[in-house]
Amino acid sequence: AQSVTQLDSHVSVSEGTPVLLRCNYSSSYSPSLFWYVQHPNKGLQLLLKYTSAATLVKGINGFEAEFKKSETSFHLTKPSAHMSDAAEYFCVVSGAGGGSNYKLTFGKGTLLTVNP
Amino acid sequence: DAGVIQSPRHEVTEMGQEVTLRCKPISGHDYLFWYRQTMMRGLELLIYFNNNVPIDDSGMPEDRFSAKMPNASFSTLKIQPSEPRDSAVYFCASRPRGQDTGELFFGEGSRLTVL
Repeated sequence: AQSVTQLDSHVSVSEGTPVLLRCNYSSSYSPSLFWYVQHPNKGLQLLLKYTSAATLVKGINGFEAEFKKSETSFHLTKPSAHMSDAAEYFCVVSGAGGGSNYKLTFGKGTLLTVNP
Repeated sequence: DAGVIQSPRHEVTEMGQEVTLRCKPISGHDYLFWYRQTMMRGLELLIYFNNNVPIDDSGMPEDRFSAKMPNASFSTLKIQPSEPRDSAVYFCASRPRGQDTGELFFGEGSRLTVL
């Protein structure tokens, strides 16, 4: 069984300040973890992924996330928020490898608001 | 390269009517997924196909929902008869064989409102 918990449903930051979106996971397998972004009225787009290589993962648009097994966390960060970062962010865990047994579990999402 | 294409983008219908949502995956992608997104339940996987064959439809809510993939470039999700609780955004996503299992390419969604 696997699950993912996004600890904040809404985060509000000022433009130019750091962003932290928190995600904890639970998985019976060695997990693969992903962050997706969804802008208003758009589909989800992959931001970054962790698949058991480097624990610090860099993604698009200056975002990065660190996999911490001891804390079962995969928090998303960005040093300086931009207005265009305002969107909903989803943490996703994929708990099994290979074949058709791929099950993805999506978090409930964190809405990021960026204030001018 | 075109992404995943969904139609219609918006659909408003009355309870009891048939609704058909369409999806064209990215060319060369072997896997196709249908998801539903609502405020209450978040993103839910309804069904997925591998090489046009339905593999897991355990997320399809009930017999009113059906999905087909007659060829590699087209899939439909049909709701008959529709009910107000079916109102949601329906996403189609695809990925190629060998891609990380969580790396999906999503369409922009079909927003369904059932009155």
